[in-house]
Amino acid sequence: GESVGLHLPTLSVQEGDNSIINCAYSNSASDYFIWYKQESGKGPQFIIDIRSNMDKRQGQRVTVLLNKTVKHLSLQIAATQPGDSAVYFCAEIIPTGYSSASKIIFGSGTRLSIRP
Amino acid sequence: KAGVTQTPRYLIKTRGQQVTLSCSPISGHRSVSWYQQTPGQGLQFLFEYFSETQRNKGNFPGRFSGRQFSNSRSEMNVSTLELGDSALYLCASSQTGLQGNTIYFGEGSWLTVV
Repeated sequence: GESVGLHLPTLSVQEGDNSIINCAYSNSASDYFIWYKQESGKGPQFIIDIRSNMDKRQGQRVTVLLNKTVKHLSLQIAATQPGDSAVYFCAEIIPTGYSSASKIIFGSGTRLSIRP
Repeated sequence: KAGVTQTPRYLIKTRGQQVTLSCSPISGHRSVSWYQQTPGQGLQFLFEYFSETQRNKGNFPGRFSGRQFSNSRSEMNVSTLELGDSALYLCASSQTGLQGNTIYFGEGSWLTVV
């Protein structure tokens, strides 16, 4: 299928090194954040999430950091592997004030490229 | 457990036509949301359905509509297609909504408008 990320910023990382992907979010009312990985021709795949009452959350080889003061989110991938090559998106969930309803806004994405 | 299933995967339509895309959520998930993904605009939220009701809507014209059935399956419709509607349309499901729930995406439907 086509690529949906033809003009994305690219982060090139040596295999085995750590990767840090950054995201600036827009709304101070956002209270839930998600990182997604999207491989070519596939839908976004959930990686890790974090609520606004936390500033750090760790998963398997991944860590998300949240800085609400500057509205910044980062995804750290430890010991980057070839299989980590993909486009990475952050998403912020903004409550709309209606019961259980929210809006979701995605970042523009970063393409992670792994050098052997 | 089957994932989110979208059909068709690829389709080509002519300007002015309409299109209907289908989404089957993960079993037990009651929230279905739809997204448009293009190289220029990235991933954008279209709308979310829960219990057959549209609960939230993004900034898209009224040509974009959807519905959800009692079994949580959902369809979205785009009428009077324009060239700019060419995109990957993604459906996602979660248990109760966007807030605090893991949102699982399908593989998408690639729409080309000629």
